Amino acid sequence: DTGVSQDPRHKITKRGQNVTFRCDPISEHNRLYWYRQTLGQGPEFLTYFQNEAQLEKSRLLSDRFSAERPKGSFSTLEIQRTEQGDSAMYLCASSPGQGISGELFFGEGSRLTVL
Amino acid sequence: DAKTTQPPSMDCAEGRAANLPCNHSTISGNEYVYWYRQIHSQGPQYIIHGLKNNETNEMASLIITEDRKSSTLILPHATLRDTAVYYCIVHNYGQNFVFGPGTRLSVLP
Repeated sequence: DTGVSQDPRHKITKRGQNVTFRCDPISEHNRLYWYRQTLGQGPEFLTYFQNEAQLEKSRLLSDRFSAERPKGSFSTLEIQRTEQGDSAMYLCASSPGQGISGELFFGEGSRLTVL
Repeated sequence: DAKTTQPPSMDCAEGRAANLPCNHSTISGNEYVYWYRQIHSQGPQYIIHGLKNNETNEMASLIITEDRKSSTLILPHATLRDTAVYYCIVHNYGQNFVFGPGTRLSVLP
């Protein structure tokens, strides 16, 4: 399977713990996005990378959230001191080319439950 | 905020055409109309996009009104596997994709 892969698919954690999600985009896609989705809502944009550079961050991305894409390939999204409100599906997407445009290829998502 | 409005839900009989409307009355000249869908427990999937001409691919057809203030996504022969949430998005190069709540399409046997 050469699609976008995300790991883990499910994570249950206690409030206050740190969690990290990994996204492997489609090979040679130089744009990578993170979205968050809560029940009954559409995906909400969190952040975007062009190669290794993080070019845009939503105000939804509080100081407890950090995303990296160190070598312009896979990306990680870390949430520190998790809160119950962080419970959501975290979606990663990639696309080819330059700028924010075109078709996004999404992964299956990582579902976070904070107890 | 999303620049589109869609009905929250629709039903369609299996084998019939599903016509999903979208209003985007504030669309600007360089903004495209994109459609994605999300099947339960999966990530969104790209369907089609267009600027002002009607478009067709193997999945669907996109009809955009002449004034570009609304569009319709047509699934010509809906199947049970087309049951999903369908998102209509107005998108300009250089901006991120803003998803609204979409339309929940239920294809009924």
